[in-house]
Amino acid sequence: ETGVTQTPRHLVMGMTNKKSLKCEQHLGHNAMYWYKQSAKKPLELMFVYSLEERVENNSVPSRFSPECPNSSHLFLHLHTLQPEDSALYLCASSQDRGYGETQYFGPGTRLLVL
Amino acid sequence: EDQVTQSPEALRLQEGESSSLNCSYTVSGLRGLFWYRQDPGKGPEFLFTLYSAGEEKEKERLKATLTKKESFLHITAPKPEDSATYLCAVSAGTASKLTFGTGTRLQVTL
Repeated sequence: ETGVTQTPRHLVMGMTNKKSLKCEQHLGHNAMYWYKQSAKKPLELMFVYSLEERVENNSVPSRFSPECPNSSHLFLHLHTLQPEDSALYLCASSQDRGYGETQYFGPGTRLLVL
Repeated sequence: EDQVTQSPEALRLQEGESSSLNCSYTVSGLRGLFWYRQDPGKGPEFLFTLYSAGEEKEKERLKATLTKKESFLHITAPKPEDSATYLCAVSAGTASKLTFGTGTRLQVTL
């Protein structure tokens, strides 16, 4: 595997389900990110992790719970989601949580909440 | 608040017809401007990073330029495989995040 990988690629869940999205980066980076991409809207940053520590949480509802067990893996735990949470969820990584660092993205997980 | 505006929203070109995409930005303390390409249902693919006004970068048929207010992505003699959405993003100040525009959807026809 190379770059940033995400699983699953597609997910359908009901509003009462609990599921998790997984991201793995094979680039030796120290910072990882979750973004949400909804139709006709710009990518929105959700969470930032640097060296496994959460450093930013951009007013994301508590039904989204991130976890970063090590610098290569990032999870997004989902529970009691709403239909408006349907979107493409993108994971990214960068060498450091520095300013002007290039972020590299995974292929995304297309989530549909029924 | 950082703002990024991309134009046009959509662009249709014939193969070989060169054009430019625009990204204008309003930020406090630009750290970097990024161009990505995104194919339907996929994640953004990194193209270029520009750090200071006057900087230019090239890759195959693409050339990115930067001024103090905007960036252009010039596409020379495009091919159908260049069809995609092109995203512009900025990193500014002390924030970790990238602020994205809504993208330009490019279609190149034979």
